[in-house]
Amino acid sequence: SAVISQKPSRDICQRGTSLTIQCQVDSQVTMMFWYRQQPGQSLTLIATANQGSEATYESGFVIDKFPISRPNLTFSTLTVSNMSPEDSSIYLCSVEGRGAYNEQFFGPGTRLTVL
Amino acid sequence: SQQGEEDPQALSIQEGENATMNCSYKTSINNLQWYRQNSGRGLVHLILIRSNEREKHSGRLRVTLDTSKKSSSLLITASRAADTASYFCATPISNFGNEKLTFGTGTRLTIIP
Repeated sequence: SAVISQKPSRDICQRGTSLTIQCQVDSQVTMMFWYRQQPGQSLTLIATANQGSEATYESGFVIDKFPISRPNLTFSTLTVSNMSPEDSSIYLCSVEGRGAYNEQFFGPGTRLTVL
Repeated sequence: SQQGEEDPQALSIQEGENATMNCSYKTSINNLQWYRQNSGRGLVHLILIRSNEREKHSGRLRVTLDTSKKSSSLLITASRAADTASYFCATPISNFGNEKLTFGTGTRLTIIP
């Protein structure tokens, strides 16, 4: 398993501002994933981040709104840009396990409220 | 969409009773996973069942998989207050070589002491 930390754990932000969420893993991993969980909903994958290449975004998510950095094999950031109240969600990062199947290990999440 | 459907959406039972949650999915898979989420925090991986398995146990958890019906169930026996959480099934979809997971709609389980 992997131990994953996220910063901040929660934040309250004003409309129009941006927030950068950090994700730190205790071991080197190839792929990191960023998810959004809107209130009372399931998880939706935003993008997959590989070290040394551009992140791959899912349908409905764009780089200008959710820029991602992956500077090394243990760290990634997700920025939520030009926020609106609709961006209020929990944002989670995850990594794949080392087994043959792609079980994932999640960070504790960042609870974002946009006023 | 590959997202799985889970039922019930919410379930409340007395402590000590068994809880059963069901998940249906849409396309062929090589495994199905169950996760637990406590009170809006990160998800915890509970159990993975491969497509060639029909049943798997882990402690008080029992998972079944019926690939002909594209469905799975999670049974929690002798429930405890600490089992109160949301439970999600997840299935992988190969996406240009990067496996990703899609999550079901979730079941919110409440254990009444």
